[in-house]
Amino acid sequence: AQSVTQLDSHVSVSEGTPVLLRCNYSSSYSPSLFWYVQHPNKGLQLLLKYTSAATLVKGINGFEAEFKKSETSFHLTKPSAHMSDAAEYFCVVSDQGNRDDKIIFGKGTRLHILP
Amino acid sequence: GAVVSQHPSWVICKSGTSVKIECRSLDFQATTMFWYRQFPKQSLMLMATSNEGSKATYEQGVEKDKFLINHASLTLSTLTVTSAHPEDSSFYICSALGAYEQYFGPGTRLTVT
Repeated sequence: AQSVTQLDSHVSVSEGTPVLLRCNYSSSYSPSLFWYVQHPNKGLQLLLKYTSAATLVKGINGFEAEFKKSETSFHLTKPSAHMSDAAEYFCVVSDQGNRDDKIIFGKGTRLHILP
Repeated sequence: GAVVSQHPSWVICKSGTSVKIECRSLDFQATTMFWYRQFPKQSLMLMATSNEGSKATYEQGVEKDKFLINHASLTLSTLTVTSAHPEDSSFYICSALGAYEQYFGPGTRLTVT
């Protein structure tokens, strides 16, 4: 069965310091993995996605994530946080294309940026 | 915990017919719900933001006359795909904003033949 675990419900970093948002997944097949950002009362916005190509995925706004199959992880990173990065981040695994449509959301990580 | 349901979970319809998908928040009230669609191995695409008691806000490129959204109560939003065509076949998912969190429905697979 598929699952997604975002290990931290809240993360606080100072502006200009690195960001690390952790995500572990389990999947029976070759999954597609996504990170989305959501600002208050707005819809999800795609940051980046992994679909079995390069394991290091670069996204928008300076974010990137590395797919590590051995660790079943897909952590999101950014070298230097900006105040505008304060938002909710969701890690999502999608197993579509197999018999069952599965799209599993992590519970989200709220990122706080300290001035 | 809070649960969001979608009905039906999958539907097959003929081209030219209309299909209604329901999104319900089961144990909380949601003034705001979102509708997304997803093609296989692609990302979610936000279609519209549904606000209870007012007109939905559609994203650029989404036909409001084709994808009718009604958020008539604090626990129910519906998406109606009118005059469906095969290119409308997709996975539709909703989410509901609770007081502190967002909850996602399990999705609806629409296949138009």
